[in-house]
Amino acid sequence: KAGVTQTPRYLIKTRGQQVTLSCSPISGHRSVSWYQQTPGQGLQFLFEYFSETQRNKGNFPGRFSGRQFSNSRSEMNVSTLELGDSALYLCASARGGLGAGAYNEQFFGPGTRLTVL
Amino acid sequence: AQKVTQAQTEISVVEKEDVTLDCVYETRDTTYYLFWYKQPPSGELVFLIRRNSFDEQNEISGRYSWNFQKSTSSFNFTITASQVVDSAVYFCALSEEARAGNMLTFGGGTRLMVKP
Repeated sequence: KAGVTQTPRYLIKTRGQQVTLSCSPISGHRSVSWYQQTPGQGLQFLFEYFSETQRNKGNFPGRFSGRQFSNSRSEMNVSTLELGDSALYLCASARGGLGAGAYNEQFFGPGTRLTVL
Repeated sequence: AQKVTQAQTEISVVEKEDVTLDCVYETRDTTYYLFWYKQPPSGELVFLIRRNSFDEQNEISGRYSWNFQKSTSSFNFTITASQVVDSAVYFCALSEEARAGNMLTFGGGTRLMVKP
């Protein structure tokens, strides 16, 4: 069974640009979560999508957005990039059945390392 | 608000030593789940264990063992006879059932270095 895939793996952008990251979950998984990892703030939850709807949202500015498609693939977008957005962005997929949120084991992808210059 | 604290930012041991990674959590929920993840240099988080708040039984899996104590809000992780391959960053995480979905709150992580 293929794992969670994220593309691209590495990305370099300049301040003010926007970026789109992609995540393909494990087949059959309907929940996709995004996390940002930085040396200063650690691992922080961005948002979770389940069946094309945002189910949870972390404490990030509106420049960070996401969406999920009918095949459960998800994209996250960051507009007007800032230097502080440089981070490893991790995607995690889970089965995500109704009422079983916290029970679900999350499988993480290898991440996309974003560098903002 | 939920919070996870891993007070040890970095631990260095010599191969074959036992090492315990500490995790203390805060939550107002009565039903919650605790996790440990391993992050090797490749960056991918690897799931190690999940525990729910009603199951305080300690668990052992090979060289790994976990000690969950609700009375002290701790969920510690011990590696017995450490090996160089155990070198990684280890994260403790918490998920509250009251908040539907798969949101995890992570601790700051403990970097474990096992020297040969």
